[in-house]
Amino acid sequence: EPEVTQTPSHQVTQMGQEVILRCVPISNHLYFYWYRQILGQKVEFLVSFYNNEISEKSEIFDDQFSVERPDGSNFTLKIRSTKLEDSAMYFCASSEPTSAQETQYFGPGTRLLVL
Amino acid sequence: AQSVTQPDIHITVSEGASLELRCNYSYGATPYLFWYVQSPGQGLQLLLKYFSGDTLVQGIKGFEAEFKRSQSSFNLRKPSVHWSDAAEYFCAVGEYGNKLVFGAGTILRVKS
Repeated sequence: EPEVTQTPSHQVTQMGQEVILRCVPISNHLYFYWYRQILGQKVEFLVSFYNNEISEKSEIFDDQFSVERPDGSNFTLKIRSTKLEDSAMYFCASSEPTSAQETQYFGPGTRLLVL
Repeated sequence: AQSVTQPDIHITVSEGASLELRCNYSYGATPYLFWYVQSPGQGLQLLLKYFSGDTLVQGIKGFEAEFKRSQSSFNLRKPSVHWSDAAEYFCAVGEYGNKLVFGAGTILRVKS
């Protein structure tokens, strides 16, 4: 069964460093998302991406964040200058193109720790 | 703004007992509703979803959920819990345009 994959599974970085989290969505999906879950808190929407542009972003997704689909398979989330409060589990998700609201399939997540 | 409430942070049930996890939502239009499960160290796995039609939906692993518009609820049920069901369960509402809004989650413990 096709699945969303994410790399790395864990990343430790120093405050102020740039990190790139990578995701490979399910191959025929066209909608892509990033969510995050700070330890002990809710899963929060960050951004959705369709047709090579951001379709919606939350207030969390400020200028420090960016997303990109550099090729036909990868979908990345970049944090330019990490802060302590960026420590969280980051989930990538994708959904099929058949309608605006389709089931989102999630990857296993990347646990980011900022020191 | 839409929101999802899961009133129970932790629930403990005996193996073989029935289970009901509560979910209430606040949403202006007809909601798209989902239940996801997260096992330790794993991602979010879809259990079931409600878009329209029959208000009782069946999912994987023997789970079902019932949409009750009058109560703004979408409670998850299972008639007989197995030890492998121990996990965290998230209810979510989907907006048209794709964003999911999640509840805080309910941690299920199963005692033998």
